[in-house]
Amino acid sequence: DVKVTQSSRYLVKRTGEKVFLECVQDMDHENMFWYRQDPGLGLRLIYFSYDVKMKEKGDIPEGYSVSREKKERFSLILESASTNQTSMYLCASRLQRDGYTFGSGTRLTVV
Amino acid sequence: EDQVTQSPEALRLQEGESSSLNCSYTVSGLRGLFWYRQDPGKGPEFLFTLYSAGEEKEKERLKATLTKKESFLHITAPKPEDSATYLCAVDNQGGKLIFGQGTELSVKP
Repeated sequence: DVKVTQSSRYLVKRTGEKVFLECVQDMDHENMFWYRQDPGLGLRLIYFSYDVKMKEKGDIPEGYSVSREKKERFSLILESASTNQTSMYLCASRLQRDGYTFGSGTRLTVV
Repeated sequence: EDQVTQSPEALRLQEGESSSLNCSYTVSGLRGLFWYRQDPGKGPEFLFTLYSAGEEKEKERLKATLTKKESFLHITAPKPEDSATYLCAVDNQGGKLIFGQGTELSVKP
């Protein structure tokens, strides 16, 4: 069964900390995505990547960066966490015309 | 601007009461329409892909249909375990999906 694995289900971090959210897929997909999901705002795209070492800004990239050094791994970095980055973070991967396969999500709380 | 609108935002049904969820879209070139189910605190789970008007897909109590302007997710004789948020998304040839806000379905026994 194909999988997208997010390293943590729940995280609590302090304001100002640098936070790494890891995502690994085992499907050899080229395309990977990071979203955040908040009540009433739906899914919002933060960053995506079409290939190794490539990255594109989504709709809300401010305060975030990403890294894709290997095809299977796409990391989301919060350079200096703030309370307004408290959210559910979802990673997804995709093969061409197929839909996304999502990870189980990381619930991040910044205090 | 490409857009996806889902209605209603929330739907409450009694067990066995059939209904439909709507997904209206405006895209410059539809490459596919996708339905997902999301349980609280979890990632969305893929349900269906529809590629062209007139296409239909079924899975248990769910049936998805597609026209040139909208898609419907029909739920026949729902059970409490069908309670979830249902998300619709379209591929507009941009490589990434455009999501609707979702419909939160609650089925009471």
